[in-house]
Amino acid sequence: KAGVTQTPRYLIKTRGQQVTLSCSPISGHRSVSWYQQTPGQGLQFLFEYFSETQRNKGNFPGRFSGRQFSNSRSEMNVSTLELGDSALYLCASSLGRAYNSPLHFGNGTRLTVT
Amino acid sequence: AQKITQTQPGMFVQEKEAVTLDCTYDTSDPSYGLFWYKQPSSGEMIFLIYQGSYDQQNATEGRYSLNFQKARKSANLVISASQLGDSAMYFCAMREGGGNNRKLIWGLGTSLAVNP
Repeated sequence: KAGVTQTPRYLIKTRGQQVTLSCSPISGHRSVSWYQQTPGQGLQFLFEYFSETQRNKGNFPGRFSGRQFSNSRSEMNVSTLELGDSALYLCASSLGRAYNSPLHFGNGTRLTVT
Repeated sequence: AQKITQTQPGMFVQEKEAVTLDCTYDTSDPSYGLFWYKQPSSGEMIFLIYQGSYDQQNATEGRYSLNFQKARKSANLVISASQLGDSAMYFCAMREGGGNNRKLIWGLGTSLAVNP
């Protein structure tokens, strides 16, 4: 069974640009979550999607948005990039939303904003 | 307040020895799950082991076991027979069952170095 696939692996953008990251969950997984990881803040929750609906959103500005498609694939978009958006963005999928359902992560997209 | 606390920023262990990575948590929710993840320098986050709040026995997965002490709110990861490939960051995380938010709450991690 293929794992969670994130594309691209690496991105370099300049301030003010926008970026779209893609995530394909494990087959059969309907829940997709996104996390941002930085050395200073650690791992922070961005969004959770289930059945194409955003179920939860973390404390990030409106520049961060996402969506989920009918095949459970998800994208997140960051507009008007800032230097502080440089981070590893991790996507995770799980079978369902139950608290005992492990999240399985992709390899991440490493975004550098210059 | 910190919900997941990992007090060991860095740990060293000799190859083939066992090592315990500490994790304490704080929640008032009776239903919760505790997870351990491994993150090598490549960046991928690898799920290792899960312990549920209602589980009577400590979880085990191969060389990984969880020392779950519910009354003390601790869920320490034990890695037996350490291998060089175990060198990585290890994160403890919790998912609460109450309410609608199913996000993972993370600790700051422990960096483990396995010496040959």
